[in-house]
This record gives sequence, structure tokens and C-alpha cells, in this order.
Amino acid sequence: GEDVEQSLFLSVREGDSSVINCTYIDSSSTYLYWYKQEPGAGLQLLTYIFSNMDMKQDQRLTVLLNKKDKHLSLRIADTQTGDSAIYFCAETVNTDKLIFGTGTRLQVFP
Amino acid sequence: GAVVSQHPSRVICKSGTSVKIECRSLDFQATTMFWYRQFPKQSLMLMATSNEGSKATYEQGVEKDKFLINHASLTLSTLTVTSAHPEDSSFYICSARGPGGAGGETQYFGPGTRLLVL
Repeated sequence: GEDVEQSLFLSVREGDSSVINCTYIDSSSTYLYWYKQEPGAGLQLLTYIFSNMDMKQDQRLTVLLNKKDKHLSLRIADTQTGDSAIYFCAETVNTDKLIFGTGTRLQVFP
Repeated sequence: GAVVSQHPSRVICKSGTSVKIECRSLDFQATTMFWYRQFPKQSLMLMATSNEGSKATYEQGVEKDKFLINHASLTLSTLTVTSAHPEDSSFYICSARGPGGAGGETQYFGPGTRLLVL
């Protein structure tokens, strides 16, 4: 398809790990991103990865990139209730435009 | 640093009126700003790219006469929804490109404006 695809919903227990997956569309993308959006708010950049990397870790966040399959994932370790939000992956095309994924709603329950 | 504000945060208007939304970069100069639209429970769709001192570049399917964009200074871009109709009701988000290059990591997002057209 033409969309950057994500699963719609993920529910995890507090303290567990969350893994959010994304399939992007443009194999020539140079950067891939993960954003967090809380209800009624704008977007917060969580992390990003350059396309020549396979993995990037930043505190509780781990990004994995599989260029062959155009697959990107975000792992959140020790998920907290404050992590409940919508998560968007995004890719840059021609370095100018961000193309966003369909979004994954993460719900963390105690 | 790198704070982007939007005003108003929420607006309700009658059908047929025009609404102006402001996007400001508070502590940096932004030669490029972007306007996005987000429908409930959906992703962000880029509407247009706004460059200071020149005409905006609109994405396919976005009516430039309907959504007027002005980027008159390095810290302010405005989006005017002209003759608004209920189907224009949406969440409008801007971003501003800060210093440090052209990658998406240098885009800083505003908090969004929720428009409801009655």
C-alpha cells in the first residue's frame, strides 16, 4: 500500500516492554523517526535513526531498523502509565517532508 | 529552546466565516514552516510547506485558495481557512524548521489548533 503502516492499538501492563512496529514505504528515506502525541497536543520527537544504522538505543527507547524489509520498530522498556499516548513513525522523503505513519495507540494499565 | 506556539488553541466558528491560525517560532528563526492537518484518530497529513518571503508549496489535493498561507517573517506563519465549512473541522498542527540542517529532526511542532466549524 501507499501508507506508512502501523498497528492501531497496543495494550501492555506497567513495567513490561512495549514494541511498536512500522512498515515504511520509501527505501531511499534517509532518516526515520518516532513521535509521541498525547491527547489534544502536538507531536514530541522521541528519537530518530539514520538509515545506515541498524539499531539505536536512548535510555528506555530502542529503535531497530530493517532496511531490507522496510521495517522499523520502537521498544519501550519498563513501560509506565505516562507512556500512554499515540506513537507515530515517520520518514523523510527528499529531506524536506515528513511522511507519518497511521499511528499506534499505546495503553498502559497498572 | 526551539519552542513553537500556535494561536488560538481552539476555535469555533460559523460556516462561511474565515479563521486565521498563527504559528510562531519563539526562540529561533524559521525560514521554513509546515502545516499539517489531522482528522480524529488519524495521522498527520502535510498540507503545505511555507517559506519565508515566498509562496507556499501545497501538497496535491490541498486547495491553495481555501487554505491561505502567509510567511511574512522568520518567526511567524499564518494559515487562513477561508469560507470555512463543517468538513474543514480538524486539528491543525504547524512545525518550524530550526537550525541544524534540513532533516526532520530539526522540525519542532506546535501544540495544535482545534477548529470546529458549525
